[in-house]
Amino acid sequence: QLQLVQSGAEVKKPGSSVKVSCRASEGTFSNNAISWVRQAPGQGLEWVGAIIPIYGTTHYARKFRGSVTITTDRPRTVAYMEVSSLKSEDTAVYYCARGKGQRDGNNDYFFYDLNIWGQGTTVIVSS
Amino acid sequence: DVALTQSPLSLFVTPGETASISCRSNQSLLFTYGHNYLDWYLQKPGQSPQRLIYLASRRASGVPEKFTGGESGGETGTEFTLTISRVEAEDVGVYYCMQGLQIPSFGRGTKLQIK
Repeated sequence: QLQLVQSGAEVKKPGSSVKVSCRASEGTFSNNAISWVRQAPGQGLEWVGAIIPIYGTTHYARKFRGSVTITTDRPRTVAYMEVSSLKSEDTAVYYCARGKGQRDGNNDYFFYDLNIWGQGTTVIVSS
Repeated sequence: DVALTQSPLSLFVTPGETASISCRSNQSLLFTYGHNYLDWYLQKPGQSPQRLIYLASRRASGVPEKFTGGESGGETGTEFTLTISRVEAEDVGVYYCMQGLQIPSFGRGTKLQIK
């Protein structure tokens, strides 16, 4: 069964960047969307953004626009999330998740059924 | 932006009883294709989240029938409920609702514990 395997934990200085990867254990992401969700220590889940490779589109939560970039490789087997200008508040576990991404005739996008999740990558931002 | 309000935030349940969690949206999640874009996820202690219900009422493959999602009245597409029947120890964790319109967002989560 497909699994999402994420890169290992990172410790970064404030102001630096981090790039986290999410690899499909078999095959490709196919026609699915890949979302990134983060969880600060002791807090709930926060949707960061997503990429829908079949549409070539990326989508970001308002607070992450400009500081987060989500990409995939051409074979659609690895997704990446890069966070720049890191702050201590970015300390969190970051998850990737495969799900459904739809677009309707009005170019409205919908996300649902995050059915496979990675194991999570801990990013610690500390001076 | 769509905001979700989950309640209660904490739930203590006797084994064998039924638990219900509410998720309210500040705007209708009923949209294109006639779907309510509302999912439910469970995060067990120390684990990644796992999906339970998608599109408000569709139980994901492999999820026990004890988990049921649906609308719970009020304005169409704004109030949803997750019901967990015959609660047992392995149901412990934090339950989240997530809306999927344009820019998804999660509710604050409901922590279920056993009495």
